[in-house]
Amino acid sequence: EVDLLESGGGLVQPGGSLRLSCAASGFAFNTYAMNWVRQAPGKGLEWVSTVSGSGSSTYYADSVKGRFTITRDNSKNTLDLQMNSLRVEDTAIYYCSKDARGYNQPIELWGQGTLVTVSS
Amino acid sequence: DIQLTQSPAPLSASVGDRVTITCRASQSIGSWLAWYQQRPGKAPKLLIFAASYLQSGVPSRFSGSGSGTDFTLTISNLQPEDFATYYCQQVASFPRTFGQGTRVEIK
Repeated sequence: EVDLLESGGGLVQPGGSLRLSCAASGFAFNTYAMNWVRQAPGKGLEWVSTVSGSGSSTYYADSVKGRFTITRDNSKNTLDLQMNSLRVEDTAIYYCSKDARGYNQPIELWGQGTLVTVSS
Repeated sequence: DIQLTQSPAPLSASVGDRVTITCRASQSIGSWLAWYQQRPGKAPKLLIFAASYLQSGVPSRFSGSGSGTDFTLTISNLQPEDFATYYCQQVASFPRTFGQGTRVEIK
């Protein structure tokens, strides 16, 4: 079965760090671009970051550039998001997600999400 | 960056209605647009890709159209399970942006 399972969310103080992980199963992980998308409480969806299938290309929203780092381990079928210098406005559910195969493709699979709360 | 503006926000409708949601891009994105449905407490679900192609398993009452800067999502014969929030997303370029969402509410 095709699945994405996030972990690593929790409560962190402003300025702190957190690392999210996503375990992928049921598909050829290294052939798909992967993303993190977040949703603040009661708000809309915000694209955060994308990494290519090989891991050689990464893209970030301006709101997280320089603070967040997306990486993948194709030998372990895992996707990570290292979040540093966290701000209150980073509080959100973070979804791991998989693009459809190819370029300029939409998100065809979403995880269930993990909640990150940044608060003192 | 490409901005996406959805309308209306929100939308009130009844079971059996035909509803249309519009997504306007700040610059041309060809047909690189997707539509997602999100029910409360759930992850989004892909409905339409490449502006007008129905994702496998999605009921045929959902349809998409448009190209360039103006796009629409139409739900014909609205069903109870369709009351949800709908988002458009452009995948033409990075940063990939979403519209602000349109909540379809029960009238």
